[in-house]
Amino acid sequence: GESVGLHLPTLSVQEGDNSIINCAYSNSASDYFIWYKQESGKGPQFIIDIRSNMDKRQGQRVTVLLNKTVKHLSLQIAATQPGDSAVYFCAENLTGGGAQKLVFGQGTRLTINP
Amino acid sequence: KAGVTQTPRYLIKTRGQQVTLSCSPISGHRSVSWYQQTPGQGLQFLFEYFSETQRNKGNFPGRFSGRQFSNSRSEMNVSTLELGDSALYLCASSSGTLATSSYNEQFFGPGTRLTVL
Repeated sequence: GESVGLHLPTLSVQEGDNSIINCAYSNSASDYFIWYKQESGKGPQFIIDIRSNMDKRQGQRVTVLLNKTVKHLSLQIAATQPGDSAVYFCAENLTGGGAQKLVFGQGTRLTINP
Repeated sequence: KAGVTQTPRYLIKTRGQQVTLSCSPISGHRSVSWYQQTPGQGLQFLFEYFSETQRNKGNFPGRFSGRQFSNSRSEMNVSTLELGDSALYLCASSSGTLATSSYNEQFFGPGTRLTVL
């Protein structure tokens, strides 16, 4: 797939355990932060987002934490399942002049062990 | 509701050639953004189009260009292909209005895998 040769941080967890994926961002002006999941052969799929004026947001089995002091974002996945195996990207949303763009982090490959 | 579609899914070209990739956004979406994904550089923003106008542009050479049609479909073109242009090119669509918030969720297509030989 497209990830061959990609030097990503990796995380391996046992099925049923919780996973925490971390991300550092760079731009203090970012107004939203988004986590995407990308499976082999597919485009990024939205998981959850968080506005810059929030510290925590929860979804179904996922929680995103934002620490603006140290420009750090994390994604927690509860009770991981085999289908959670993928590459996870954080992205910061920059808005200006009526337009927006996403700046993506490097990505983390999550592997779920049976 | 149909998702974002991209054609072709796979493409092989040789150095010096040019290529045109197509993206059809989700019905009703007026903004289309393009991203390049490579093993070395990750996901990088190319440009965004809204109502047939380029609103935002990333740091790519002029060989990379795009356009958007009145039905919101978009094409991107890469001229004088180089080996380093081999990548997965992703298109994302959103409503693009930025009327009520500064963020509109972007929905990605499956991408076009371009290989330059």
